[in-house]
Amino acid sequence: SQELEQSPQSLIVQEGKNLTINCTSSKTLYGLYWYKQKYGEGLIFLMMLQKGGEEKSHEKITAKLDEKKQQSSLHITASQPSHAGIYLCGAASDSNYQLIWGAGTKLIIKP
Amino acid sequence: DGGITQSPKYLFRKEGQNVTLSCEQNLNHDAMYWYRQDPGQGLRLIYYSQIVNDFQKGDIAEGYSVSREKKESFPLTVTSAQKNPTAFYLCASSIDQGASYNEQFFGPGTRLTVL
Repeated sequence: SQELEQSPQSLIVQEGKNLTINCTSSKTLYGLYWYKQKYGEGLIFLMMLQKGGEEKSHEKITAKLDEKKQQSSLHITASQPSHAGIYLCGAASDSNYQLIWGAGTKLIIKP
Repeated sequence: DGGITQSPKYLFRKEGQNVTLSCEQNLNHDAMYWYRQDPGQGLRLIYYSQIVNDFQKGDIAEGYSVSREKKESFPLTVTSAQKNPTAFYLCASSIDQGASYNEQFFGPGTRLTVL
């Protein structure tokens, strides 16, 4: 079965610094979703990637899917307190309905 | 405003009791999902429904039941057969028009605690 591994599990970053979160799959990714979650709340959609080599940006967050479609990275530039939270990646399998999820990366921004 | 609502936000239950979590959406989405989230783990799929009056088991359906009598509603019942029900429960929905890899929209979640 397909598994998603996120790294690191947690990250403490000084405000203003850049950071990267990775999501690695044991199998080819057919669609990769990035979501953000504040503790105790629902998930907010950030971006979806489908094509190998694809890169998308939203404000200071950039996500990439590698050419082999087995790894995605999420990069935040000049981090701010509003970026704090849990970042989760979800991958589409051959089923349209069932996403497989990584365990999440907890991001803390130090002022 | 369109969205997904879950109620209640916090729920306490005594052992041996069944409890029902509500999920309503006004996005006109065909597909709806229930996930369970435990600390340090990814989301795990409990049940999903692609259409009214039809639903399928996910990875951890044991001890749970659902119904889909209306397009807008997908309630989840946590039964006394669920051995470890204390968790954060998330409901989601997505368009199901035959297109692949549709974004899932999430509700705010319900935190269930068994006393």
